[in-house]
Amino acid sequence: EAQVTQNPRYLITVTGKKLTVTCSQNMNHEYMSWYRQDPGLGLRQIYYSMNVEVTDKGDVPEGYKVSRKEKRNFPLILESPSPNQTSLYFCASSRGTLYEQYFGPGTRLTVT
Amino acid sequence: DAKTTQPPSMDCAEGRAANLPCNHSTISGNEYVYWYRQIHSQGPQYIIHGLKNNETNEMASLIITEDRKSSTLILPHATLRDTAVYYCIVRVVSGAQKLVFGQGTRLTINP
Repeated sequence: EAQVTQNPRYLITVTGKKLTVTCSQNMNHEYMSWYRQDPGLGLRQIYYSMNVEVTDKGDVPEGYKVSRKEKRNFPLILESPSPNQTSLYFCASSRGTLYEQYFGPGTRLTVT
Repeated sequence: DAKTTQPPSMDCAEGRAANLPCNHSTISGNEYVYWYRQIHSQGPQYIIHGLKNNETNEMASLIITEDRKSSTLILPHATLRDTAVYYCIVRVVSGAQKLVFGQGTRLTINP
């Protein structure tokens, strides 16, 4: 089954403790992206990647890092999480600029 | 990317066609209209997209006016599982492929 998977689905952590949210897709898509969704603010793009070793900032990249060492994986790294990064995070992938994006199930992160 | 305007909420009876409008009066010639939906807090789901011609797939139909200033998403036989927030997005096809979701329309399908 074609899908985007994210882990963990739920995470409660403390300020400053480094964490990684994994994202994997099995559709051989070149494009991958991370979004965060907050009430009243809609969906905002954090980082995106056009292909392996090619990443770029979205609208809200501060406090996040990404890497794209393999085509299927696009992990999101929070090196020193803060409470304002409490949010619902989505990973997405697409086979090209014109095509639809497939979203993962989401990761609900709480930073205390 | 052009701004879109959608009604905040709509109701539709199960089995009837749900028609969701979207206004995008400032759309540019190279901007596409995309529709996604989100059920509760699940990952958004792609529905359909188009440039200027009407489009149909297994999920829905997209009707774009001739001047491209507005469009309508049609779910032909709505079911309870179609209850969701529907987002109309207008964007240029570019590298960032950024999707900007506005407030969308909360569609409730009633039995």
